[in-house]
Amino acid sequence: GIQVEQSPPDLILQEGANSTLRCNFSDSVNNLQWFHQNPWGQLINLFYIPSGTKQNGRLSATTVATERYSLLYISSSQTTDSGVYFCAVDDTGGFKTIFGAGTRLFVKA
Amino acid sequence: SAVISQKPSRDICQRGTSLTIQCQVDSQVTMMFWYRQQPGQSLTLIATANQGSEATYESGFVIDKFPISRPNLTFSTLTVSNMSPEDSSIYLCSAQGFGNTIYFGEGSWLTVV
Repeated sequence: GIQVEQSPPDLILQEGANSTLRCNFSDSVNNLQWFHQNPWGQLINLFYIPSGTKQNGRLSATTVATERYSLLYISSSQTTDSGVYFCAVDDTGGFKTIFGAGTRLFVKA
Repeated sequence: SAVISQKPSRDICQRGTSLTIQCQVDSQVTMMFWYRQQPGQSLTLIATANQGSEATYESGFVIDKFPISRPNLTFSTLTVSNMSPEDSSIYLCSAQGFGNTIYFGEGSWLTVV
């Protein structure tokens, strides 16, 4: 099945810093989404981005489907950005969504 | 967007017992799924909940251990049967709308003692 790799696995930032999270996938995908899981476990959908670039406030994402990667940019990080960021892709052979291992982000005040 | 409600949100259970988790979506969705997230780990798909028929289970998960129902388009249940401490996890219900975006419930935190 499709493999999803995220990097870095862990990231510590000073408040106000910028960061880039990466997601590589091993095969063509129909769908790619980025999620944020807050410290209380709630998963929030950040972007549905099978290709191209999207921006939402301080967050933006770019997917280059032909090269099988996606990037999530966080600018001017805040302590509330802490949590785990997951990349998830849909297996083209079916309808199930496969999650990467996540990037654990801690933003220090 | 879809709002997904799960209950219970948290429970402590005795080993050997079973617990049923309910998931309610506020709008019709195409697909519903159940995931497990063990402590410090990523999400693992348990099964796809199919309306009016047996769920489709992923490798390593079986119906006897995780029976799932989906009687209509907006409601599903997951039962964790004959629980052991290894079943302590967050169980998450998710739904996919017509726009392919996936939404999650707030999760059910299960501790087996």
